[in-house]
Amino acid sequence: AQKVTQAQTEISVVEKEDVTLDCVYETRDTTYYLFWYKQPPSGELVFLIRRNSFDEQNEISGRYSWNFQKSTSSFNFTITASQVVDSAVYFCALSERSGYSTLTFGKGTMLLVSP
Amino acid sequence: SAVISQKPSRDICQRGTSLTIQCQVDSQVTMMFWYRQQPGQSLTLIATANQGSEATYESGFVIDKFPISRPNLTFSTLTVSNMSPEDSSIYLCSVAVASTYEQYFGPGTRLTVT
Repeated sequence: AQKVTQAQTEISVVEKEDVTLDCVYETRDTTYYLFWYKQPPSGELVFLIRRNSFDEQNEISGRYSWNFQKSTSSFNFTITASQVVDSAVYFCALSERSGYSTLTFGKGTMLLVSP
Repeated sequence: SAVISQKPSRDICQRGTSLTIQCQVDSQVTMMFWYRQQPGQSLTLIATANQGSEATYESGFVIDKFPISRPNLTFSTLTVSNMSPEDSSIYLCSVAVASTYEQYFGPGTRLTVT
């Protein structure tokens, strides 16, 4: 069975600090997809990134970057120079096989960025 | 991407009643899903809404409690039946975009059962 672990329940940083959110996954499939979502206090779930299991290249999008390492089954998310607007709950999720199958979510990490 | 709307955005209901939540997508999608997020918790899949056939339910969720309709490729409904306070949650509709495998969520329906 698939499983996603986000060991950090809550992280507090001061604005402009860099922060890394950890995600470790378990799956028996060789083909799978990993996702990150942001859930701000307003409650909507915002799609951030999708990565397939065959693409281990790191990705950068503005202040966001993702580090995918199959050897350690990890898909970590780093925010550089954090801002107050980054305060939210961040979820890592896993989808097996086809990629548009169901998602298994981690428990989420609440990030609090203070001014 | 896909733009998803849900109605209602929130509701307060009495114990024993039922509420139907609507999910509308701006394009045809093959896969639609319904998730539940209990207060302070992660998301749990309720069911996959299949167009033209019965929904596929996850363990712990049954059709009598959460009947789902999927009349076409852009619309689905989830009914929460015979509600109890334990059903107080955010209910989210999700779609998967076949061309990119990206999955998007609606804004959610915040349900409070008193």
